[in-house]
Amino acid sequence: GESVGLHLPTLSVQEGDNSIINCAYSNSASDYFIWYKQESGKGPQFIIDIRSNMDKRQGQRVTVLLNKTVKHLSLQIAATQPGDSAVYFCAESHGSSNTGKLIFGQGTTLQVKP
Amino acid sequence: SQTIHQWPATLVQPVGSPLSLECTVEGTSNPNLYWYRQAAGRGLQLLFYSVGIGQISSEVPQNLSASRPQDRQFILSSKKLLLSDSGFYLCAWSGYSGNTIYFGEGSWLTVV
Repeated sequence: GESVGLHLPTLSVQEGDNSIINCAYSNSASDYFIWYKQESGKGPQFIIDIRSNMDKRQGQRVTVLLNKTVKHLSLQIAATQPGDSAVYFCAESHGSSNTGKLIFGQGTTLQVKP
Repeated sequence: SQTIHQWPATLVQPVGSPLSLECTVEGTSNPNLYWYRQAAGRGLQLLFYSVGIGQISSEVPQNLSASRPQDRQFILSSKKLLLSDSGFYLCAWSGYSGNTIYFGEGSWLTVV
């Protein structure tokens, strides 16, 4: 069946270091991927997305890498700050559907140590 | 810009009581609307989605129902709450073409 999962449930990094959060997906038909950040007690916030016709996309301090060969997605956060501490979810969908239904991973908790 | 509001933010309800969570979206027309539930284990479970007024699709059998009386209004309801209904409920929207989903701030429901 379809699944999107994260390799590590918790990631602890030193402030100022770079963070890499990984995600594996199983459906080769997935063509759209999103990363969300969820702070405690709040709804998930959109961070960055990528379509399957790309292998890299950059935002402000964040980069998403997509490797379709091994069905792997990663989120890189440069110069991690305390405000980056949150749970990060990857999600995937199929472009053939206009409902936008996303399949979410279980989330990785990022802890930033001062 | 588009905004999404849901309320109440927190709710403590006794078992067997009814539930109504409301969500409205502003700044867009004909959005797709969603209700998700997030249990303590963090995973996001899609409960309902709607592509238009009166059109509701249920993803999982449960004690809950959803309604969309207006284009930008989505309501999550229950006639009799169960303890297992406790959780964090998130309303979300996306454009008509789907894909990126934007979430509200969530509603914490505790059934006691």
